[in-house]
Amino acid sequence: NAGVIQTPRHKVTGKGQEATLWCEPISGHSAVFWYRQTIVQGLEFLTYFRNQAPIDDSGMPKERFSAQMPNQSHSTLKIQSTQPQDSAVYLCASSLAPDNYAEQFFGPGTRLTVL
Amino acid sequence: AQSVTQPDARVTVSEGASLQLRCKYSYSGTPYLFWYVQYPRQGLQLLLKYYSGDPVVQGVNGFEAEFSKSNSSFHLRKASVHWSDSAVYFCVLSAGSNYQLIWGSGTKLIIKP
Repeated sequence: NAGVIQTPRHKVTGKGQEATLWCEPISGHSAVFWYRQTIVQGLEFLTYFRNQAPIDDSGMPKERFSAQMPNQSHSTLKIQSTQPQDSAVYLCASSLAPDNYAEQFFGPGTRLTVL
Repeated sequence: AQSVTQPDARVTVSEGASLQLRCKYSYSGTPYLFWYVQYPRQGLQLLLKYYSGDPVVQGVNGFEAEFSKSNSSFHLRKASVHWSDSAVYFCVLSAGSNYQLIWGSGTKLIIKP
């Protein structure tokens, strides 16, 4: 079991460029979550998929962020026109079942730096 | 609104000493509570979780936590810390129908030799 895989581990973009982050959840897990971690804000929920369907994107900044899950083996988080305040570690997690008690397994994160 | 408060940003403990990391939550319903740990340059890992039953729950590596409904608390404890316990510890609440996790700000644990 390779765990949750996130690529790339580090990404540097210039202001205004696009960034695409990839997540491969653990095989068989039906729930996928994206979080953002910064020193100032801590860990924040971004979005959630269940069986590939988007369920809750209430944490996503509306204008430039989007997430997709085209198949059960990967999800992407895309940030258009990146800004310095988007610099953060983006974490992907998956869980076997979508319920409040299910353990979420986290990937190592993608550190995004916007210059 | 749901929230989690970890009042101590940093805790320093001597190796072999006991440990308590504090956590308070705010939620009107029945809370699902977790402690996650983030070791340097590693991903977040679950230490333990609580939903119901015995208010003292055991986790990995000798950690335990005690739930108190009256105090809205879920403190983490360990009888004897090891240098390898140095990490950031997060108290987490799962609430609502979309299973998103609500995170405390984290407590950085520093172990003195």
